[in-house]
Amino acid sequence: DGGITQSPKYLFRKEGQNVTLSCEQNLNHDAMYWYRQDPGQGLRLIYYSQIVNDFQKGDIAEGYSVSREKKESFPLTVTSAQKNPTAFYLCASSLDGVTLYYGYTFGSGTRLTVV
Amino acid sequence: EDQVTQSPEALRLQEGESSSLNCSYTVSGLRGLFWYRQDPGKGPEFLFTLYSAGEEKEKERLKATLTKKESFLHITAPKPEDSATYLCAVQVSARQLTFGSGTQLTVLP
Repeated sequence: DGGITQSPKYLFRKEGQNVTLSCEQNLNHDAMYWYRQDPGQGLRLIYYSQIVNDFQKGDIAEGYSVSREKKESFPLTVTSAQKNPTAFYLCASSLDGVTLYYGYTFGSGTRLTVV
Repeated sequence: EDQVTQSPEALRLQEGESSSLNCSYTVSGLRGLFWYRQDPGKGPEFLFTLYSAGEEKEKERLKATLTKKESFLHITAPKPEDSATYLCAVQVSARQLTFGSGTQLTVLP
C-alpha cells in the first residue's frame, strides 16, 4: 500500500546532540512537508519542498535543516541550535503542492524528547 | 496575518448526542478549507475539502459546511469510535496549509 513512513516512532535526544528524523513516501508525490505539533497548538510548518534538490523555510525553521536528494525522501535534522525540540513531528506529502485537492497525506509521526 | 480558530477546545458528548464543531478563519484569499481527524499518537487523516461558501460534504456521521467566515463540522448521532481530535486547516498560498489548534472530541458510551 502507498503511504508515508516516518521513523523512528520515538526518539530521545541528549543536550547538544543533532538527531535526524526519517520520512519516506511511495506515493509519487512531488511536494513534502515537515510540521511540528505541540500540545494545545496547531501544526506549525518547519520546511517544505516542491521538487528534488529544492526546499523552503516555513514559519519555524530555526534550529532545523532538511535535504531532498530523492523524490521519495525528506529527512529532517534537529540541530543543537533548536532550544526546545521536544514535540511531535509530522511529515506530509501532496501530489503537486498547488491544488491540494486531497490535502496532505501524513505519516504516523515521530515523538522527540530531550533527556 | 492569517488566522484559524477552532472552538470549542474540547467537547464531551453522550453517544447519540449530535453537535457541531466550529472553525473560523481570517485569511486573505481562501483557496480551500480542509478537515482532518487525528487519533492520539498518530498523524492526521484527511476528511474533507471545501472550496466555496455554501458547499457541503458528507461522510458517514460527519457533514462539513462552509461560509465566508467559518466552517462547521456537524456530527450526527456520534459513536465512541468518533472520539478524536478534529483539525481544520486553510490553504492560502499555493504551497502550504495553516492549521487551527483542534477540537478534542470525546463520545461517551
